Amino acid sequence: KAGVTQTPRYLIKTRGQQVTLSCSPISGHRSVSWYQQTPGQGLQFLFEYFSETQRNKGNFPGRFSGRQFSNSRSEMNVSTLELGDSALYLCASSFTSVGVDTQYFGPGTRLTVL
Amino acid sequence: TQLLEQSPQFLSIQEGENLTVYCNSSSVFSSLQWYRQEPGEGPVLLVTVVTGGEVKKLKRLTFQFGDARKDSSLHITAAQPGDTGLYLCAGRNRDDKIIFGKGTRLHILP
Repeated sequence: KAGVTQTPRYLIKTRGQQVTLSCSPISGHRSVSWYQQTPGQGLQFLFEYFSETQRNKGNFPGRFSGRQFSNSRSEMNVSTLELGDSALYLCASSFTSVGVDTQYFGPGTRLTVL
Repeated sequence: TQLLEQSPQFLSIQEGENLTVYCNSSSVFSSLQWYRQEPGEGPVLLVTVVTGGEVKKLKRLTFQFGDARKDSSLHITAAQPGDTGLYLCAGRNRDDKIIFGKGTRLHILP
């Protein structure tokens, strides 16, 4: 099976712009989660989608949003970019077996805000 | 707020040495997972521990889940340069959100 893919891998934007990141999960996985990773804060949970519905949301401002399509592909959008949004954005798809989630991460999108 | 604290933050040792890194919380987790992340890549799942006191082995890596399911450890025997990376622990909290520790950055010197 192909792994989780994320596009683009690298992105440079300026303050005030918006950005859309894309994630294609492993075939058959219906849950997709997004994380922001920075050196200072580590990996922080953004949101989780399951069957096109947002199942959970982290403590990020409303500028961060996401959605999931019927084929389980997901996008996240960040509007009015700030310098502090520079980070590695990771997507993970998962399945649940015997009550335990197993997450598989994509390589991430490195976003730089100038 | 449920937190996962990892220690040490950084560890640099010689090839062939043994090491242990820790993941601690004041809260109970139904399961904990360990990941390794290399530069420019996403984290890769190493193991999931579910039962208190559980021990799992993956070649030279031994993972243990505390009896009370509040802490976990990763022990590496005879470390090799290929073990270099960022080791992360993660668990799903009672708000059903997956939280990660900030990681232990391990560097094995040849």
